Amino acid sequence: AQSVTQLGSHVSVSEGALVLLRCNYSSSVPPYLFWYVQYPNQGLQLLLKYTTGATLVKGINGFEAEFKKSETSFHLTKPSAHMSDAAEYFCAVSETNTGNQFYFGTGTSLTVIP
Amino acid sequence: EAGVTQSPTHLIKTRGQQATLRCSPISGHTSVYWYQQALGLGLQFLLWYDEGEERNRGNFPPRFSGRQFPNYSSELNVNALELEDSALYLCASSRWTGGNEQFFGPGTRLTVL
Repeated sequence: AQSVTQLGSHVSVSEGALVLLRCNYSSSVPPYLFWYVQYPNQGLQLLLKYTTGATLVKGINGFEAEFKKSETSFHLTKPSAHMSDAAEYFCAVSETNTGNQFYFGTGTSLTVIP
Repeated sequence: EAGVTQSPTHLIKTRGQQATLRCSPISGHTSVYWYQQALGLGLQFLLWYDEGEERNRGNFPPRFSGRQFPNYSSELNVNALELEDSALYLCASSRWTGGNEQFFGPGTRLTVL
C-alpha cells in the first residue's frame, strides 16, 4: 500500500524567503504525485502534478516540485514566499494500476511572517 | 465547465440523528471520493465510488455509508451521529484512470450538537 509522509506539520517563513515543504512516499509501482493547497474553509485546489516525463514540475502561483525517484521524494518549493501563500498544503500519491485512489499526507500548515 | 458541487454548505444535527450529504461530480467524471476533515486530523479517506459501485472504503464504522447514482452523483449518509463526526466533509471527482487529478468541492460543514 502507498503511504505519504509530510515532514513538519507547521512551517513558518518570512515574506520573500524560500518555501520548502517536504513530501516522501512509499510505492511499489511508479507513482503519480500531486500537491494541493487548501485555504481556510475551502476545498482543495491542485497546485501541480507529476505523471511522467520531466521530473521538475511547475505549477500555479510560482510553485514547483521535483520528483526524485532515488529519494522517493516530491518536495514543493517556491523561491519567494508571499503573504497569500499562507495555507494548508497536502501531498498525495496515486497508484498507476488500480484506478485513481489517492493517498494523502497529513498536511503542512504554512505561515508567512511579514 | 462546472466544478464539483456539494450540498448543503452547512448542516447542524444533534447526536443520534442521521445526516445526508450530496455531491455532484464534474461532467465526464465517473469516480467520486468522500473525505472527512476533522479539526487537526488532516484528510481521512472515507469512500470511493465508480460506475455505481463502492471501490474502496477507509477505516470508518459501517454507520458511514453512501451510494452513487446512475448520473454519477453521490450521497454520503452518516447514521447515529456522534459528536466526533463534526467535521468538514469533502467530495472529489475524477476520471477512473490513474494520473488524473481529483477535483474537490467546497465541502459540507457538519456540526453535531
